[in-house]
Amino acid sequence: DQQVKQNSPSLSVQEGRISILNCDYTNSMFDYFLWYKKYPAEGPTFLISISSIKDKNEDGRFTVFLNKSAKHLSLHIVPSQPGDSAVYFCAAKGSGGTSYGKLTFGQGTILTVHP
Amino acid sequence: DAGVTQSPTHLIKTRGQQVTLRCSPKSGHDTVSWYQQALGQGPQFIFQYYEEEERQRGNFPDRFSGHQFPNYSSELNVNALLLGDSALYLCASKNTRPDRSRAKNIQYFGAGTRLSVL
Repeated sequence: DQQVKQNSPSLSVQEGRISILNCDYTNSMFDYFLWYKKYPAEGPTFLISISSIKDKNEDGRFTVFLNKSAKHLSLHIVPSQPGDSAVYFCAAKGSGGTSYGKLTFGQGTILTVHP
Repeated sequence: DAGVTQSPTHLIKTRGQQVTLRCSPKSGHDTVSWYQQALGQGPQFIFQYYEEEERQRGNFPDRFSGHQFPNYSSELNVNALLLGDSALYLCASKNTRPDRSRAKNIQYFGAGTRLSVL
C-alpha cells in the first residue's frame, strides 16, 4: 500500500525554466510534508517543508504547494539550474496512531536540468 | 557542526550472517530513525529511538533490532541476513524538543551504509 506516490519517475527541464515535481498521498493523518533532494552517494538533504494547515511555503527558488482536498502537493523550482539535477523525494509525517512521527516517502523523481 | 555520521560506508556480508551499523546524530539531536532504501525506491521506515527506547516501528521483521546509547548514538542490527536485505541503510536524526516547533518535524539524514548480501 503506497501511501505517498510520485508518479513521474523522471523530469527533464531546460536551465532557467520552471521545474514542477508532483506528489500524491492517501493518508488523511499526515500533518506535515517535506521535500528532500538526493545526490548519488549522499544521504537525502532537506529542502523545504509545509504544514498541513498551510497551502503554500516559499524559500528562495523553491515553493511547495499543498492541496489538502486533492491530497496533492507540488514542488516548484524557479529558475531551474543544472545543480538542481538530483533525485527528489516527497515525504509525509504521520500525526497519530502507528504512523506518528515516522516519515513515509514516495519513490522519487529524477530531475535533470539541461544547460 | 557535524551532521549525521554513519559507519561503515560499505559492507559486504554473506547470507545468514549478522551485521551492525552505527550512527551518530547531528549535534543537539536526541531522536534517531533508521530507514532502508532499496534500489529505485524511496526510504522505508524501520524504527525510531528516543530516550534509549524504540518508540515507533515500521513493517520489518524481528531480525531487525536496534539500540540507542546515552549519548544519543544508535546501532542497527540485522540477524540472519537474506539476499533481500541488500540496500542502502540511512540514519536520520532530529531534535524532539527544539526551540521552534517546526524544527521537530525535520529529520536530517546521514550518507548511509551500503550493505551487500551475497
